[in-house]
Amino acid sequence: GENVEQHPSTLSVQEGDSAVIKCTYSDSASNYFPWYKQELGKGPQLIIDIRSNVGEKKDQRIAVTLNKTAKHFSLHITETQPEDSAVYFCSMDSSYKLIFGSGTRLLVRP
Amino acid sequence: DGGITQSPKYLFRKEGQNVTLSCEQNLNHDAMYWYRQDPGQGLRLIYYSQIVNDFQKGDIAEGYSVSREKKESFPLTVTSAQKNPTAFYLCASRPNLAKNIQYFGAGTRLSVL
Repeated sequence: GENVEQHPSTLSVQEGDSAVIKCTYSDSASNYFPWYKQELGKGPQLIIDIRSNVGEKKDQRIAVTLNKTAKHFSLHITETQPEDSAVYFCSMDSSYKLIFGSGTRLLVRP
Repeated sequence: DGGITQSPKYLFRKEGQNVTLSCEQNLNHDAMYWYRQDPGQGLRLIYYSQIVNDFQKGDIAEGYSVSREKKESFPLTVTSAQKNPTAFYLCASRPNLAKNIQYFGAGTRLSVL
């Protein structure tokens, strides 16, 4: 069935370093891949998304890359700050639903 | 102030009791969704509705029920048949079938007494 695998499950970086989160998926028909950030006790918020007709998208310190042939996509955060600490979820669109990865807990150490 | 409002923020259920979680949106979105989130895990789809008076089961619908009588409202009932209801419940909405971005509410944390 449709599945998204996300790695790593936890990630600890020093403030100012970069963080990379990777996801692989099984449904080759998917054309939309959003990333969400969830802070403690809150609902997930969309931070960036990418569609299958592009390979990379950037928004300030955040970038997402997509390799449709290899069926994987990644989130890159540069110059990390303590407020980037949260749980990040990758997801993919599948038949009007979103399939989510299991999440990555990012800790940015001051 | 536009958005998705979930209430209550915290809810306690006694054994054998049904409880209803509220989700209201004033974004004029067509589709609405309910997810369950367990500690340290991802989001699992319970039910979703693409239009008023229509809804479909997600991956873990057993023990839950929904209704969609109005476009802006999509309440979720956790029935006594759901034996492990303790979780964080998230409601989301999507503008229309052509635009596949989902926006989430702040969640309801349900615990069993």
